[in-house]
Amino acid sequence: GAVVSQHPSWVICKSGTSVKIECRSLDFQATTMFWYRQFPKQSLMLMATSNEGSKATYEQGVEKDKFLINHASLTLSTLTVTSAHPEDSSFYICSARERPSGGAAVWEQYFGPGTRLTVT
Amino acid sequence: AQSVAQPEDQVNVAEGNPLTVKCTYSVSGNPYLFWYVQYPNRGLQFLLKYITGDNLVKGSYGFEAEFNKSQTSFHLKKPSALVSDSALYFCAVKFQGAQKLVFGQGTRLTINP
Repeated sequence: GAVVSQHPSWVICKSGTSVKIECRSLDFQATTMFWYRQFPKQSLMLMATSNEGSKATYEQGVEKDKFLINHASLTLSTLTVTSAHPEDSSFYICSARERPSGGAAVWEQYFGPGTRLTVT
Repeated sequence: AQSVAQPEDQVNVAEGNPLTVKCTYSVSGNPYLFWYVQYPNRGLQFLLKYITGDNLVKGSYGFEAEFNKSQTSFHLKKPSALVSDSALYFCAVKFQGAQKLVFGQGTRLTINP
């Protein structure tokens, strides 16, 4: 089946530094990738939708200058948290959407294992 | 407004008993409905989906869900619960014409030995 990986799986950084999280589709081409944020015991909050080769579309309330998203290829999207602060500590999950086969009506969406970011 | 809701934050079931995790949605038009499971510090794993056709959908690990249009529900079920089913379950809906999935708030399922 389709596999999505994330790197790193966890990261600790100091306040004020930037951290980059990678999301890769390993065995399929993902024209669209999604970035989510999940706080403890809460649901996933969509941060942005990223289409290959174009600018990401951010959800309302998400700072595009703070959460930089790049989707430079069909298998890689990156999320950079710039000037991170403790309130940015969270679990970040990406997902990738695969082009359907056989004319299927709904594109499958596959999730990465998540990256736990802790800002000290 | 289009939305999806999981009315129970937590569900506790004894091992071997049937389980149900509830999901309702509010939408105009026909939704695409999904169930995902999340284990601690992990991403989401796909369980099953309803797009069209049979209202009863069978998925991974013995789970199934029934689409009920009149009640706008898509409850997740399993005939006999296992301790290993203990996890966080998310219902999600994709509305026609939209790219993104909208998630419910999640239900923590605990199966007691």
